[in-house]
Amino acid sequence: AQSVTQLDSQVPVFEEAPVELRCNYSSSVSVYLFWYVQYPNQGLQLLLKYLSGSTLVKGINGFEAEFNKSQTSFHLRKPSVHISDTAEYFCAVSEWGAQKLVFGQGTRLTINP
Amino acid sequence: KAGVTQTPRYLIKTRGQQVTLSCSPISGHRSVSWYQQTPGQGLQFLFEYFSETQRNKGNFPGRFSGRQFSNSRSEMNVSTLELGDSALYLCASSLVTRQADTQYFGPGTRLTVL
Repeated sequence: AQSVTQLDSQVPVFEEAPVELRCNYSSSVSVYLFWYVQYPNQGLQLLLKYLSGSTLVKGINGFEAEFNKSQTSFHLRKPSVHISDTAEYFCAVSEWGAQKLVFGQGTRLTINP
Repeated sequence: KAGVTQTPRYLIKTRGQQVTLSCSPISGHRSVSWYQQTPGQGLQFLFEYFSETQRNKGNFPGRFSGRQFSNSRSEMNVSTLELGDSALYLCASSLVTRQADTQYFGPGTRLTVL
């Protein structure tokens, strides 16, 4: 079985500041890793995913994440945030070959002007 | 290409009733997954259908069921509703290849049980 821990339930930052949202996972098998974003009253949108290869993954809206196998982490970063990045962010894993996503509890990112 | 659509967007039911939610996947997508989102439990996987067959099931009671039609549209049904079933129900569709395909989510159906 897999599990995902998002270490911060809320992260407040100032506009144009950098941000890191932390994610650790646990699994006895190889997994794929994802970050999704949810804006108010909307579904989930994929930011980026790690399947294999380079451990630094670039996604949409200037986000990137780094896969660290030894630390079982997949932290999400953005060098400069904007008001429009205010949303809830979810880290997720899925077992190879399965369409079942296991999500973390989410991190609410609040951008202050 | 049109995205994943879910109907209805909002539903209010009373305890003991049953409800059916509908999901139309992106054209060409054959896998449909359902998730429940609540403030307390977060996002939890309900089940996944591919080619009209349930391939994966989460840890939910038998009151939660689903099906998929030949055109890949899917429905989920909850019988004998309980207050705790109030949630946002999200549907996601994906192409199916040998690797993990991106799951594209719909806007969800918000179910309120009174």
